[in-house]
Amino acid sequence: AQRVTQPEKLLSVFKGAPVELKCNYSYSGSPELFWYVQYSRQRLQLLLRHISRESIKGFTADLNKGETSFHLKKPFAQEEDSAMYYCALRRGTIFNQAGTALIFGKGTTLSVSS
Amino acid sequence: ETGVTQSPTHLIKTRGQQVTLRCSSQSGHNTVSWYQQALGQGPQFIFQYYREEENGRGNFPPRFSGLQFPNYSSELNVNALELDDSALYLCASSSSASGAYNEQFFGPGTRLTVL
Repeated sequence: AQRVTQPEKLLSVFKGAPVELKCNYSYSGSPELFWYVQYSRQRLQLLLRHISRESIKGFTADLNKGETSFHLKKPFAQEEDSAMYYCALRRGTIFNQAGTALIFGKGTTLSVSS
Repeated sequence: ETGVTQSPTHLIKTRGQQVTLRCSSQSGHNTVSWYQQALGQGPQFIFQYYREEENGRGNFPPRFSGLQFPNYSSELNVNALELDDSALYLCASSSSASGAYNEQFFGPGTRLTVL
């Protein structure tokens, strides 16, 4: 079964501390993984995707197929990083090239305090 | 460029009633996906519409149905409402023109409460 697991409901850190939001997935095939973020009173938005291998707002995530993980990391947390973070897996093969469906984890609330 | 809009913002219904939620896709997008987000959960895929046809469905019963119109806007209809249908319903639009992964842009959601 295709599944995304985010084991932590809440992660609280101090400003300047390193952050790691955990994500594990279950998928038979070649996965496409994403991190979405939802800031307070804003809509859900894409933070980064594994295929682009980029750093967004200082966040990076590496796909580890051996451990089936896609953890989100940032070396120095900022207060503005406080938000809900969702890891998502693309469910792809039955869809045509126009479409995607995303399987989301339950989310982790990141709280950064000074 | 206009983002994804949804209406209404909030809705209260009683068990057994029917509800219609609406979504206007972002300019230039021809694919609309609907998600249900229960309290404390991540969004769960309901179905997707592409060129006015259903293009994939999640694990939801047939009383959840949808439509997509020629202007790519979409409706989600839920019949015979149950208490467990209380949730935030999210619409996301994407474009088929931009390559292998077409980023989904989410609307603000409609909060449905079933009493």
